[in-house]
Amino acid sequence: QQQVKQSPQSLIVQKGGIPIINCAYENTAFDYFPWYQQFPGKGPALLIAIRPDVSEKKEGRFTISFNKSAKQFSLHIMDSQPGDSATYFCAASKTGAGGYNKLIFGAGTRLAVHP
Amino acid sequence: GAGVSQSPRYKVAKRGQDVALRCDPISGHVSLFWYQQALGQGPEFLTYFQNEAQLDKSGLPSDRFFAERPEGSVSTLKIQRTQQEDSAVYLCASSPWTGANTDTQYFGPGTRLTVL
Repeated sequence: QQQVKQSPQSLIVQKGGIPIINCAYENTAFDYFPWYQQFPGKGPALLIAIRPDVSEKKEGRFTISFNKSAKQFSLHIMDSQPGDSATYFCAASKTGAGGYNKLIFGAGTRLAVHP
Repeated sequence: GAGVSQSPRYKVAKRGQDVALRCDPISGHVSLFWYQQALGQGPEFLTYFQNEAQLDKSGLPSDRFFAERPEGSVSTLKIQRTQQEDSAVYLCASSPWTGANTDTQYFGPGTRLTVL
């Protein structure tokens, strides 16, 4: 059972466009939703994260929108640049015994930003 | 500063061989995670250490997979009698520990294992 579903699988935009990547989750116990960026040959790196007590969070050109009732969240990249071309993963975790961040990842979205 | 390092970066094994993958976390990080990333997929949790204690091994796919962190720093993931389905990138991540599930994980570059 896929606990975090991510779409689309791939996305192509022109420089300056606003790619949007969507994720849906099933477990209502999830309470932390990060987005990771991964370049080829590298490990994922945290981009931005949100808790369900807010509906939107913005850091630089990256914005997370969160809809708790729909159990969905999305990543928007403003004024996208060719250097943003990478694979993006949404993830989720829940507070639990031991207090560690056991992340459940989506399948990833490969983004290409053309000049 | 130094990030998470993993070695080897690439490993080719014949089916049935044993392999050992090493992770050097960021100095001082209490938490250490191992993930398996199949081609074109997101990372999947394998196991978690808090210092030297393995608190969660729920993601290990079989008893052929074994992980250790004997002194609470370097960790080794061992796969015995490798199978073709074990081919994947194995990622290690470390983080500080605050008792919350929001601690940022810092990932290493991974070890790409190919089983022939």
